This record gives sequence, C-alpha cells and structure tokens, in this order.
Amino acid sequence: AQKVTQAQTEISVVEKEDVTLDCVYETRDTTYYLFWYKQPPSGELVFLIRRNSFDEQNEISGRYSWNFQKSTSSFNFTITASQVVDSAVYFCALSEDLGAGSSNTGKLIFGQGTTLQVKP
Amino acid sequence: DVKVTQSSRYLVKRTGEKVFLECVQDMDHENMFWYRQDPGLGLRLIYFSYDVKMKEKGDIPEGYSVSREKKERFSLILESASTNQTSMYLCASGRDNSYEQYFGPGTRLTVT
Repeated sequence: AQKVTQAQTEISVVEKEDVTLDCVYETRDTTYYLFWYKQPPSGELVFLIRRNSFDEQNEISGRYSWNFQKSTSSFNFTITASQVVDSAVYFCALSEDLGAGSSNTGKLIFGQGTTLQVKP
Repeated sequence: DVKVTQSSRYLVKRTGEKVFLECVQDMDHENMFWYRQDPGLGLRLIYFSYDVKMKEKGDIPEGYSVSREKKERFSLILESASTNQTSMYLCASGRDNSYEQYFGPGTRLTVT
C-alpha cells in the first residue's frame, strides 16, 4: 500500500532559524515520483518540487533544499534562514508509475501536512 | 501560467440541497482531480478523470458524483448535501503521474 507520513503536525520557529520538514513514504513500486507543495493562508496549493525515484541527487533552490534518501524512504525539506512568508502548511505527496496499459493518471497520495509558523 | 479556477471560494448550503462545484483549467490537461481537505487528514481524493466523459472513483467517493463533458471542465456534484460534507474542496489538473498537479484556490463549503 502507498502511504505518506509527515509526523510533524506543527512546527514553530523564529525567523532566520533553519527548519527541516520530514516526509517518509511507503511504496512497493520501483518507479515513483515525490512532490512537495506549499499551502499559504490564501489556500491555493503551490507546487515546489518533483523528484523521480531514480534521481537521488539532492536539490537546492535558494533557501530551499531537499534530501531524498531511498534507503530510508525519506524526502525531507529544509528551509534555511526561515522568513515569516514561509509560514504555511507544507504537504509531501507520492505518485506511482502504474506502467503501460494502466490509466496513468497521476493520483497523488498526500501526507497529513505540516503547519510551519515562522515568528518574527 | 497554468490556471485552475473554481466557481466559488465560499459556499453555504442547507442539508439535502444539490450542490455543484465547478472547476476549469486552461492548460489542455488530460487529468483532473477533486480532493477534499480536512484538518489532520491532509488531502483525500474523491474522484478523478483522465479523459472527457471518463471518471474513476478515488478514496472517498461516497455521496459525490462528477461530470466531465468538456476537457477543460470538471464538476463535482453533491446529490444531497450533508453536514459531514462541510469541508474545503480542491480541484487540480495535470498531464500524467510524472508531472505535478496544479491546484485551484479551493471552495470552502459549509452545509448547515
């Protein structure tokens, strides 16, 4: 069964602190895709990153970085020098490659979300 | 930029009413999705569609139906609204499983 677990329900940090959001996933497939989304108070989910299961390179985008480790089935997200504008709910999600002959629909399995509050 | 729009941001309906939630995307995506979001439960898939007139049940389809008559439009229907359907409803569209989904702003539905 596919499952995504974000064990941290809420995190509160002070501005300029670094913070890591954890994501652990379960899947039986060898080909799959992992995503992070941000949901600010306005409500609209914003896509942050996509990773496929064959690419274990870590990625950095400005203050954001992602650590993908297949050995521990984790895809953690770190914000460096956090800012108040980073306050949001963050979701990790998993999509599986159903293979040829299947409706390759891109169903996403979401974690429960982590609410990040960055205080000034 | 991909644009996914939803017909209402806020909606209040009475128990037993028929409710239509509309979603439109402008990127010619094959796949469209309806999720509901509840505190502590994340997003749960209600229905999805991978082509016009095609639909498949998601994880929590009970009490809902959908319609996709045109590629760009995907409607969620609550045949007889109940209070346990009070929630945030999010529509999304995407190409296939290797690509990200794009989300609309959400409709916060309250059933009284």
